[in-house]
Amino acid sequence: QLVESGGGLVQPGGSLRLSCAASGFTFSTYWMSWVRQAPGKGLEWVANIKEDGSEKYYMDSVKGRFAISRDNAKNSLYLQMNSLRAEDTAVYYCARIMIPAGGQWWFDPWGQGTLVTVSS
Amino acid sequence: DIQMTQSPSSLSASVGDRVTITCRASQSISTYLNWYQQKPGKAPKVLIYAASSLQSGVPSRFSGSGSGTDFTLTISGLQPEDFATFYCQQTYTAPHTFAQGTKLGSK
Repeated sequence: QLVESGGGLVQPGGSLRLSCAASGFTFSTYWMSWVRQAPGKGLEWVANIKEDGSEKYYMDSVKGRFAISRDNAKNSLYLQMNSLRAEDTAVYYCARIMIPAGGQWWFDPWGQGTLVTVSS
Repeated sequence: DIQMTQSPSSLSASVGDRVTITCRASQSISTYLNWYQQKPGKAPKVLIYAASSLQSGVPSRFSGSGSGTDFTLTISGLQPEDFATFYCQQTYTAPHTFAQGTKLGSK
């Protein structure tokens, strides 16, 4: 199970830190991801992080502003969001990345999401 | 970045219909293609991974096919609970892009 928290209303240029609490699986053995969905829009991949945090990947529009991290001792995933813009307004989902021996990747399960609204 | 395009963007169908949704990648992605279903106000859930593998617990009326750049999701015998929005996603390389989605509504 994945449960996100930390969303809310923030002014443009502000910061917010999202958290995702994982349970029911060995968190430290999975890549994790953040995916967002603007109101009424489609899904947009944001970032991935490797099991031990040694590799991180971001979508271009958040590079340098967002930082994905994890604390395996606390079974938690984070997304630090700085210099927020109106276009960052979205529901943010965390998801576990499944990577079995065959090398294919897919996202399962997903959390319920947390809404981030960037507005003055 | 790999661009993903789905068609149609929306469609209307009736219970019992056979429905096909197409997804195209801007370059070859082998079979690194997943299909998700999302209902209003809910998180997405995976239906098909690796282009054609059915996720555990997903009804067998859902099937996927394709490789390279062209993929399809087929629902054989549409059920009332299947009306939702469907997304394909490539995981061949980051960024793991999604297509814009297909909204399946009731005719």
